[in-house]
Amino acid sequence: GAGVSQSPRYKVAKRGQDVALRCDPISGHVSLFWYQQALGQGPEFLTYFQNEAQLDKSGLPSDRFFAERPEGSVSTLKIQRTQQEDSAVYLCASSPLTDTQYFGPGTRLTVL
Amino acid sequence: AQSVTQLDSQVPVFEEAPVELRCNYSSSVSVYLFWYVQYPNQGLQLLLKYLSGSTLVKSINGFEAEFNKSQTSFHLRKPSVHISDTAEYFCAVGGLGGFKTIFGAGTRLFVKA
Repeated sequence: GAGVSQSPRYKVAKRGQDVALRCDPISGHVSLFWYQQALGQGPEFLTYFQNEAQLDKSGLPSDRFFAERPEGSVSTLKIQRTQQEDSAVYLCASSPLTDTQYFGPGTRLTVL
Repeated sequence: AQSVTQLDSQVPVFEEAPVELRCNYSSSVSVYLFWYVQYPNQGLQLLLKYLSGSTLVKSINGFEAEFNKSQTSFHLRKPSVHISDTAEYFCAVGGLGGFKTIFGAGTRLFVKA
């Protein structure tokens, strides 16, 4: 079927606004990951879900970042009161509980 | 804690020349090692991986990488590159189960005609 999809692909927010980024994983994939990729850097781990359980959120940079996956499928990454340093590409990946992750195209967030 | 160092941020090379992209890692536990590739305007995709067994792993498009435990390295090589290999390459290390994969900063391979 289709790969991992993310929406929106591009988001521009004014500083202080809240944003919500959506990830649709590959159907049936148990594991879901969120990463933040700053310009010129590799992806940095944010959080990991196994089904609806958030097993690791150690990479979330502050309490303004919140992720959920209530039904074990679609996931949303929410950033409250955005700041300029939040500007980055946010990547979602899913996995069938194996070692290989399948990445979406990312959402490029620009905070003005 | 785990970390990954990619020693070269950019590697320019002429078509049909050999190339090596260097990667060193640190980890206190057994690891899985990966190389991901990101072609222009595309998402990350797995190129090859080392889980266990043979230390030399190969991709379908001619790349190979060798796990060297004593040197904590996982360098990526190709004996003859093509223009279409131009992309950004990321080395990554993951724990058992693939949780919390740590990526390097990436190496931009630029193949010139």
